[in-house]
Amino acid sequence: DAEITQSPRHKITETGRQVTLACHQTWNHNNMFWYRQDLGHGLRLIHYSYGVQDTNKGEVSDGYSVSRSNTEDLPLTLESAASSQTSVYFCASSVLAGTSTDTQYFGPGTRLTVL
Amino acid sequence: GENVEQHPSTLSVQEGDSAVIKCTYSDSASNYFPWYKQELGKRPQLIIDIRSNVGEKKDQRIAVTLNKTAKHFSLHITETQPEDSAVYFCAASYPDANQFYFGTGTSLTVIP
Repeated sequence: DAEITQSPRHKITETGRQVTLACHQTWNHNNMFWYRQDLGHGLRLIHYSYGVQDTNKGEVSDGYSVSRSNTEDLPLTLESAASSQTSVYFCASSVLAGTSTDTQYFGPGTRLTVL
Repeated sequence: GENVEQHPSTLSVQEGDSAVIKCTYSDSASNYFPWYKQELGKRPQLIIDIRSNVGEKKDQRIAVTLNKTAKHFSLHITETQPEDSAVYFCAASYPDANQFYFGTGTSLTVIP
C-alpha cells in the first residue's frame, strides 16, 4: 500500500550537531511539507516543496533546510541543532490538484530531543 | 498571511452529548477547510473537510459548517463516545496555495 514514512521515529542529539530527518512517500504526490508541533502552537510549517528541485520557506524556517532531488523524498536538515528545536516533526504530502487545494496526509512523526 | 484561531482549547463532555469546536480565519480568499483528529502519540488524520462552495457537510456523527460572511467554520460531533477523545485541529487554505494554516488545537475529553 502507498504510504508516507519518517525516520528515525525518535532522535536524541546534542546542541550544535547537524541532524537530518527523512521523509519518504510512495503516493507519487508532488507536494511535500514539514511541520513542527509544539504544545500551544499547533502545527507550524517549516518548509515545503511543490515538486522536484522546488523548495520554499514556511513560517518557522530559520535553522532548517530541505532539498528535493526526487518525487518521493524530502529530507529536513537542522544545520546546527538548538534546544529550541526540540519538538515533534511531521512530514505531509498532497497531490498537486490544479486550482483546488488537496488534503494533506501526514507521516507518523519524529520526536527530536536536543540536549 | 492567513491567521486561524480555534476555540476552545480544551473541552470536556459527557458521553452521548454533543461537542462543538469553532475556528475563525482572517483571509476571505481561503476556500478549503479541513479538520484533523490526532490521538495521543499518533499522526493527525483527516476526519472531514469542506470547500467554500458549500455551507455544511456531514459524515455520520460529525459535521462541519461554514459561514463565509463571518469567516468562521465549526466542527460538530454528536452522540460523543470515549474514542472521540483526542486533539482536533482546524485549518484553512488559499486557492492554489496548497499550504495549510492550522489552528492551535482543541483537546476533547469524552467522559464515560
